[in-house]
Amino acid sequence: DIVMTQSPDSLAVSLGERATINCKSSQSVLYSSNNKNSLAWYQQKPGQPPKLLTYWASTRESGVPDRFSGSGSETDFTLTISSLQAEDVAVYFCQQYYSSPPTFGQGTKVEIK
Amino acid sequence: QVQLQESGPGLVKPSQTLSLTCTVSGGSISSGAYYWSWIRQHPGKGLEWIGYVYHSGSTYYNPSLRGRVIISVDTSKNHFSLRLSSVTAADTAVYYCARDRDSSGFSVLGYWGQGTLVTVS
Repeated sequence: DIVMTQSPDSLAVSLGERATINCKSSQSVLYSSNNKNSLAWYQQKPGQPPKLLTYWASTRESGVPDRFSGSGSETDFTLTISSLQAEDVAVYFCQQYYSSPPTFGQGTKVEIK
Repeated sequence: QVQLQESGPGLVKPSQTLSLTCTVSGGSISSGAYYWSWIRQHPGKGLEWIGYVYHSGSTYYNPSLRGRVIISVDTSKNHFSLRLSSVTAADTAVYYCARDRDSSGFSVLGYWGQGTLVTVS
């Protein structure tokens, strides 16, 4: 299985400031057929299911605010929240879908400083 | 807009079989080339993919659970189901059903149920 490792486990950011979450895969998730990285990001608020934010590493899901952006390639990826809002307090997960079984990172908890 | 809803017992005894159903509304399981998945989340922990089923009935199971898990689909009832046998306390988790965001065949989960807590005790 591909192991996904996120850092940090938690971070506290002031409102309006940038939050950066990292995700590292144990092997490349670059899909050669379309030259895209098979990496998705999800947001999970307490008591709710995860919500898809981005896929193919940087494609934002419809309806997701543009303050959320994904980047990275092969084994190293980043989710950036450009200006943290109160409603962004949540746990964020990365997930690879390059190979089965799909696997998730352990999650990063984002709080307000 | 497709919606998914899990149902089933919230308490299962050790060594017994956990059975859950995911009812789909707002769309037919048999239309579209979607994969229908089960994922679980241990209390306060990360997410684990259990497996998925295609509308044809073909399945994939996480090797970590293979041998104990069966996922099936009933297109006439527009639902799919999870059976996990020989459960232990380690199977206590919130169980989610979900669907891919599109029919590309890639496991990007765009639609989720609300989840149901199953306790093994």
